[in-house]
Amino acid sequence: QSVLTQPPSVSGAPGQRVTISCTGSSSNIGAGYDVHWYQQLPGTAPKLLIYGNSNRPSGVPDRFSGSKSGTSASLAITGLQAEDEADYYCQSYDSSLSAFYVFGTGTKVTVL
Amino acid sequence: EVQLVESGGVVVQPGGSLRLSCAASGFTFDDYAMHWVRQAPGKGLEWVSLISWDGGSTYYADSVKGRFTISRDNSKNSLYLQMNSLRAEDTALYYCARGGIAVADPIDYWGQGTLVTVSS
Repeated sequence: QSVLTQPPSVSGAPGQRVTISCTGSSSNIGAGYDVHWYQQLPGTAPKLLIYGNSNRPSGVPDRFSGSKSGTSASLAITGLQAEDEADYYCQSYDSSLSAFYVFGTGTKVTVL
Repeated sequence: EVQLVESGGVVVQPGGSLRLSCAASGFTFDDYAMHWVRQAPGKGLEWVSLISWDGGSTYYADSVKGRFTISRDNSKNSLYLQMNSLRAEDTALYYCARGGIAVADPIDYWGQGTLVTVSS
């Protein structure tokens, strides 16, 4: 059972802005640990999308942005495109005894 | 180009054992921690295990602790996952993935995965 909670799905029309929340607790995001985001296109392996809360690896379009505040983090996609339809996962480190490296529950983004 | 190629996934009976391998290339293998992450059919990502660059530190998810063992051979640029006492709930696509220097660093490269099916 994941300790990072995401909405199961979000949707938007092409060109719109969508956001995905990632809610944690005082033992992970709230403890100051970085949040990373991954994109998983259908039938493929995940890909690092955002690291260290708000940094984009080389090659990731600037339409993707990340932020963190308190015990939560968010991923925003502006100018939504058809190729953005995918599953998105947040991930962080957890200092509790029962968790360590934790992924969010995942969010399916649908482009209408 | 970084490449991670997993192998060893098969159909195995409950209670059985299996060893997964991951061949790494395109980077200095012993500079990086390495992970195993799994994804059950139609489900989300679940972190399984992490090993430090030198193999000196290992970490496991509670769901596999005591049953799975992660190891590496830096002379062969290879990562392994020994899986014992397998259960139906271990059925998943298992990804080999590259971490960073610190345990909290992100995973920056993933393999394509190898499928493990636990079924009688």
